[in-house]
Amino acid sequence: QKEVEQNSGPLSVPEGAIASLNCTYSDRGSQSFFWYRQYSGKSPELIMSIYSNGDKEDGRFTAQLNKASQYVSLLIRDSQPSDSATYLCAVNKEGNFNKFYFGSGTKLNVKP
Amino acid sequence: GAVVSQHPSWVICKSGTSVKIECRSLDFQATTMFWYRQFPKQSLMLMATSNEGSKATYEQGVEKDKFLINHASLTLSTLTVTSAHPEDSSFYICSATLLVTGELFFGEGSRLTVL
Repeated sequence: QKEVEQNSGPLSVPEGAIASLNCTYSDRGSQSFFWYRQYSGKSPELIMSIYSNGDKEDGRFTAQLNKASQYVSLLIRDSQPSDSATYLCAVNKEGNFNKFYFGSGTKLNVKP
Repeated sequence: GAVVSQHPSWVICKSGTSVKIECRSLDFQATTMFWYRQFPKQSLMLMATSNEGSKATYEQGVEKDKFLINHASLTLSTLTVTSAHPEDSSFYICSATLLVTGELFFGEGSRLTVL
């Protein structure tokens, strides 16, 4: 079983819609959760981090964490074509900043 | 967010030569840096964890004699691809953790093409 699982997609949404990206993780000891955006040919860029259960909003992005279900999601409101990228979910275990586990990423296509 | 810088952004070299890639944390100190490799349309693959002042820890299957890592200061780690071959052509990305937040920040990446 992989540490972090994501649907590879592609997920296609029309411009202006809400894009919902999901991620599950296997280790209940995971404490920190991150979402990265990676454009084709570029390196990953951190867009959200979340550490406690519930929602965290930043602009058009909302990260949701449910530790009981071992589930973390990213919602992108008012999706724009510029949001088209691969979104990577990453988790980190308590006290171990030397180990990050990445999902394989979900490719998002926002159609104009 | 914190800034991690890599240099060069892209490099082309002949087979058999060595290439050095630098990774710097510009506004924070990083006792640990990570080196990843990514082939086209594939996932990030962790190659090694670079520790300041000590030997790097390599992932299984990564040749430590081929991919030399030096982390001589709290802001600089280098990856040297020795005797490069065409199959080493890839996108190499470094990253470092900002300890106050536990967030991992990536450099811009270095695209290596070996002819």
